[in-house]
Amino acid sequence: QTVVTQEPSFSVSPGGTVTLTCGLTSGSVSPLNFPSWYQQTPGQAPRTLIYSTTIRSSGVPNRFSGSILGNKAALTITGAQADDECDYYCVLSLGSSVIFGGGTKLTVL
Amino acid sequence: QVQLQESGPGLVKPSETLSLTCTVSGGSINNYYWGWVRQPPGRGLDFLAYSFNNGGPNDNPSVKSRVTISVDTTKNQFSLHLSSVTAADTAVYYCARWFEAGWAFDLWGRGTLVIVSS
Repeated sequence: QTVVTQEPSFSVSPGGTVTLTCGLTSGSVSPLNFPSWYQQTPGQAPRTLIYSTTIRSSGVPNRFSGSILGNKAALTITGAQADDECDYYCVLSLGSSVIFGGGTKLTVL
Repeated sequence: QVQLQESGPGLVKPSETLSLTCTVSGGSINNYYWGWVRQPPGRGLDFLAYSFNNGGPNDNPSVKSRVTISVDTTKNQFSLHLSSVTAADTAVYYCARWFEAGWAFDLWGRGTLVIVSS
């Protein structure tokens, strides 16, 4: 069974740039997997950041960007802020299946 | 502005059916896909299913035979029914709008905690 992989944790300095990735245990991620990214603060509902690899959802600042890097999908945060400290989840399409990654806990310090 | 709000029992007995309703306000439920995602305590998000106008759901194989989604266009609501629940189904349940063209959830409810316990 193919699993969607994410870094369990990551840290970034305030004002810095960080790239989180989303891969597959078997195979490479491509735009045909329609990568999407979600942000979740503890105790809150998820917020959609990116869909279809690169498209920002309504109201999402342009310091969040999505891409394909090598064989993975990537979420880059430029100019990290304190309130970016939360969990980030990616979702990939595998055929008709919708699969969440395990999430990355981002620390800003 | 479209908003989603989950409602339903916060406690369900093992082997019974978990039923939750999501009310869509600020817009029509028609012509969209609607779905459910859950999050067990202290764990990550887990896709359950999404459906279009009472069509057969696209669901997670791990719950495939237990989940149905029904849509009531007259009330602007859709519902999740998860049968034969166990303690492993204890989670915060989120309703969400599925954006088919982008293959993503683009709008979320605030979530509701459901505990499965006798």
